[in-house]
Parts: sequence; structure tokens; C-alpha cells
Amino acid sequence: DAKTTQPTSMDCAEGRAANLPCNHSTISGNEYVYWYRQIHSQGPQYIIHGLKNNETNEMASLIITEDRKSSTLILPHATLRDTAVYYCIVRAYNQGGKLIFGQGTELSVKP
Amino acid sequence: NAGVTQTPKFRVLKTGQSMTLLCAQDMNHEYMYWYRQDPGMGLRLIHYSVGEGTTAKGEVPDGYNVSRLKKQNFLLGLESAAPSQTSVYFCASSNPNQPQHFGDGTRLSIL
Repeated sequence: DAKTTQPTSMDCAEGRAANLPCNHSTISGNEYVYWYRQIHSQGPQYIIHGLKNNETNEMASLIITEDRKSSTLILPHATLRDTAVYYCIVRAYNQGGKLIFGQGTELSVKP
Repeated sequence: NAGVTQTPKFRVLKTGQSMTLLCAQDMNHEYMYWYRQDPGMGLRLIHYSVGEGTTAKGEVPDGYNVSRLKKQNFLLGLESAAPSQTSVYFCASSNPNQPQHFGDGTRLSIL
């Protein structure tokens, strides 16, 4: 599985968009980009995933560059409850679904 | 709507004792996983299963055994607990190529 690189921490003002970058320059053609978050030592929570097209759901948007070497998770209107560690994970199709977690980005949403 | 349930939630053991952590899922998922998370780090995969009666090693399998006798249950065993196994243990389940759903974790301390 490809490795990912994320900033260690980020701050965001409440109500503003939070843009979390992820670099995955060694991604292969059959690997998806997944985003999870972990709030205060709870179990990780799935947010969104994509292969090459941009994706949007009720929680967030995922923007993947055309060369697929990086992506950005966007939380459009961050709230205090979005304070969490966000993990960007690259996962191959049909390999037992294994997730390889890095250290993630600690996002602090401030009033 | 229980999802993934882990028992127990907390446990303290003495070095050399054995115990079994239970994970149960009610979503009829094919795949199940056990992870551990140490302070300040991302999750690391211990063992996983892609179906009833099958198990496979993850990143950090040493000192642990698992069994998947029923589709809905995945057991993690520590035969002789060591202080290095003090951690938070998370179970997850999914269907093939679908996002994983996580439990709330078991906090295990070994003295």
C-alpha cells in the first residue's frame, strides 16, 4: 500500500472551511483514497473515499488531483465537534480491506 | 442498531495472565479486524479475517491469537500478557471493498 504524508496539526476557525491536505505520490492505479477521523480516542469514523473523481457526501468533500498524487478533504463549515485526528489512508482494492494508519492530522477547530 | 460491540471496555491484567477480547458485529459483514493503538500513534493491524473460519496476520501479530468460529464474532486472545501489550484495542468490520466500521475500543493495562 502507498504511504501518505499529512501535516501533524492544523487550526481552523469555527464556521470556516477546513482544508486538510494529503500527499500520496506513490499511489497505484487500483488504490483508493480513504479518510477517517478519530474523536477523542473513540473508534475511528469513516468520512469519505474516492478513486479519481471528486466526491461529496453529507460530511465532507474529497478533491483528488488529476495525477492522483495528492488529495484534500474539505469540511465546508467546521464546528467545534469536528476537532479530531484525521487520517488519510490509501487502500488497494481487493486486498482484505486492510487499512494502514499513519499519524494523521490533528485538527483543532477554535471559536 | 448496535454495529460493532467490544467487550470488555476496560481491563487490568497482571503480567503472564491470559484473556480474551470479544468483538461482535450485527451487520453481517464478511471481514473483521483487530487493531491496537498506542499513545500518540495511529492504529496498527494485529490480525484480520476475510470470512468465517479464516484468519491472517497483520502488521503486529506477535503475542496474539485470533479465532473466527462464527461470522459475527472475532476473538482476540493474549496467552501470556506482557506490559508492552498495554494499549487500546479496536475491532472493526466491513464487507469487501466497503468502509470499515469500528467499535468503541477496549482499554487494556498490564501491570
